[in-house]
Amino acid sequence: EPEVTQTPSHQVTQMGQEVILRCVPISNHLYFYWYRQILGQKVEFLVSFYNNEISEKSEIFDDQFSVERPDGSNFTLKIRSTKLEDSAMYFCASSAGIASTDTQYFGPGTRLTVL
Amino acid sequence: DAKTTQPNSMESNEEEPVHLPCNHSTISGTDYIHWYRQLPSQGPEYVIHGLTSNVNNRMASLAIAEDRKSSTLILHRATLRDAAVYYCILTGTDSWGKLQFGAGTQVVVTP
Repeated sequence: EPEVTQTPSHQVTQMGQEVILRCVPISNHLYFYWYRQILGQKVEFLVSFYNNEISEKSEIFDDQFSVERPDGSNFTLKIRSTKLEDSAMYFCASSAGIASTDTQYFGPGTRLTVL
Repeated sequence: DAKTTQPNSMESNEEEPVHLPCNHSTISGTDYIHWYRQLPSQGPEYVIHGLTSNVNNRMASLAIAEDRKSSTLILHRATLRDAAVYYCILTGTDSWGKLQFGAGTQVVVTP
């Protein structure tokens, strides 16, 4: 069964450093998403991406964040200058469409720890 | 602005059914009811979805009230692997793919 993969599984970085989280969505999917989950809190939507453009983003997704599909398979989330509060699990997801019936498939997540 | 309300936790014995309620009194006519679950240390996973009629799949059943203001996810025989947080999420024409997760219901399965 196709699945979304994410690398690395755990990333430790110093405050102020740039990090890039990588995702390989399901191959025939067209819509891509990033969510985050701070420890003990709910899963929060960050951004959706389609046709090489951001479709929607939340208030969390400020200028420190960017997303890119650098090639036909990868989807990345970059945080330019990490803050302590960026420590969280980051989940990538993909879907074939954005209809109300479309299912999102999530990756296993990257745990980001900012020291 | 949570659109759904779920109990914080539910406990079940292994191999017994689990009924997880969800209230969504402000649901619109075109909103679908989706359920996802999150196993420990994993990403969310799709379980089931429906609009008006009850739905069954290999994982669970979804019973939707006639007025659609509530629904119940039914795990017919809980196993230890079903211990997870279960999320009830509405998706509508204005969702644009964005899933809004609440706190969900933590299901504890006791052997």
